[in-house]
Amino acid sequence: EAGVAQSPRYKIIEKRQSVAFWCNPISGHATLYWYQQILGQGPKLLIQFQNNGVVDDSQLPKDRFSAERLKGVDSTLKIQPAKLEDSAVYLCASSPDRFNEQYFGPGTRLTVT
Amino acid sequence: GQNIDQPTEMTATEGAIVQINCTYQTSGFNGLFWYQQHAGEAPTFLSYNVLDGLEEKGRFSSFLSRSKGYSYLLLKELQMKDSASYLCARLSTGYQKVTFGIGTKLQVIP
Repeated sequence: EAGVAQSPRYKIIEKRQSVAFWCNPISGHATLYWYQQILGQGPKLLIQFQNNGVVDDSQLPKDRFSAERLKGVDSTLKIQPAKLEDSAVYLCASSPDRFNEQYFGPGTRLTVT
Repeated sequence: GQNIDQPTEMTATEGAIVQINCTYQTSGFNGLFWYQQHAGEAPTFLSYNVLDGLEEKGRFSSFLSRSKGYSYLLLKELQMKDSASYLCARLSTGYQKVTFGIGTKLQVIP
């Protein structure tokens, strides 16, 4: 079975620019997660979707970050405008349901200069 | 937060046994995951404990004590490829939110 797909793999932008990341979860997985992982730290949950509804976005900086999961399948995460501290790896994960193990995509490494 | 604590770094010898501990907040607790993350790669699932006791899976075992808010990951017959970060992640009740610890970076030396 195909894994979680993410693109792009790498992105370099200047501060105040905008950027978007795309994620295609494993087919049939109802739950989709976006994490931010700063070097040397564990993944920090930004937003969790159950089908196309938001379950948790309490740690999403909503003044600059937005995410959507149209039709309950793939998802996009956007940052506008980016700040230097947004430099991190953005991981997308999916699971059959909220109680199950998560399958992670390869991540997008964002560098903000 | 969910107060997940685990050591930041550990070193162990090839062929030996190592135990990585994790403590967490017990209120609203629903389960405990362990993930392995090699440098520059995404985390991969190792184990999930919801009941007290030891779950064995090959060279890896995971233990949970719900009353003590304590878990450990036991790695036996260490191999060089086991050098990685090991992430403890707590599943909460309600919205079933998963919160990750900072991760324990394990270095296996010859």
